[in-house]
Amino acid sequence: DTAVSQTPKYLVTQMGNDKSIKCEQNLGHDTMYWYKQDSKKFLKIMFSYNNKELIINETVPNRFSPKSPDKAHLNLHINSLELGDSAVYFCASSQVAGSGWVNEQFFGPGTRLTVL
Amino acid sequence: QKEVEQDPGPLSVPEGAIVSLNCTYSNSAFQYFMWYRQYSRKGPELLMYTYSSGNKEDGRFTAQVDKSSKYISLFIRDSQPSDSATYLCAMGGNEKLTFGTGTRLTIIP
Repeated sequence: DTAVSQTPKYLVTQMGNDKSIKCEQNLGHDTMYWYKQDSKKFLKIMFSYNNKELIINETVPNRFSPKSPDKAHLNLHINSLELGDSAVYFCASSQVAGSGWVNEQFFGPGTRLTVL
Repeated sequence: QKEVEQDPGPLSVPEGAIVSLNCTYSNSAFQYFMWYRQYSRKGPELLMYTYSSGNKEDGRFTAQVDKSSKYISLFIRDSQPSDSATYLCAMGGNEKLTFGTGTRLTIIP
């Protein structure tokens, strides 16, 4: 039974297009995240939602827009795709987020985005 | 300067060797320290975490934290080919984790 799932697994598209990546978790967690991992394996947080509310918004271009219809889903929409957007995007979830708690995050399998 | 520094490797060692992976950090606000393992084309998975300075052991894995030096390590004893992966340190203290760049490890049979 998959804990954190993402679709699609691979996405190849042209510059300028708009695309979406979907994420679902069945762990009952309250907090979900989007990360970008570049070719050098550096994992950088983009957004975090707690119970459908945005709590972390790192310096990400506003072409990226997350949407959380409910606490089990966090989707990522990207407008006007650029070459530099090519990366692996990971969704993650955790039970709690806040000071004093260990933020054990469970990651999805990733979506490999290639912009041509 | 990045908040978390990690040597990206690659690191290749023979099977059975002891592996040492390390990270340094600059933010004193970090409260807990984690090691994630990421196999090729997979998402990261949590190996271990620890709060305080000292050692924590789990099977063949030992996590070590030295808060005074802002230095953490992961030791793998009796390394196996199945340990070949990228190992990422991560540090937290609030809503988010800050990751190192990962060290790519290969265990040679």
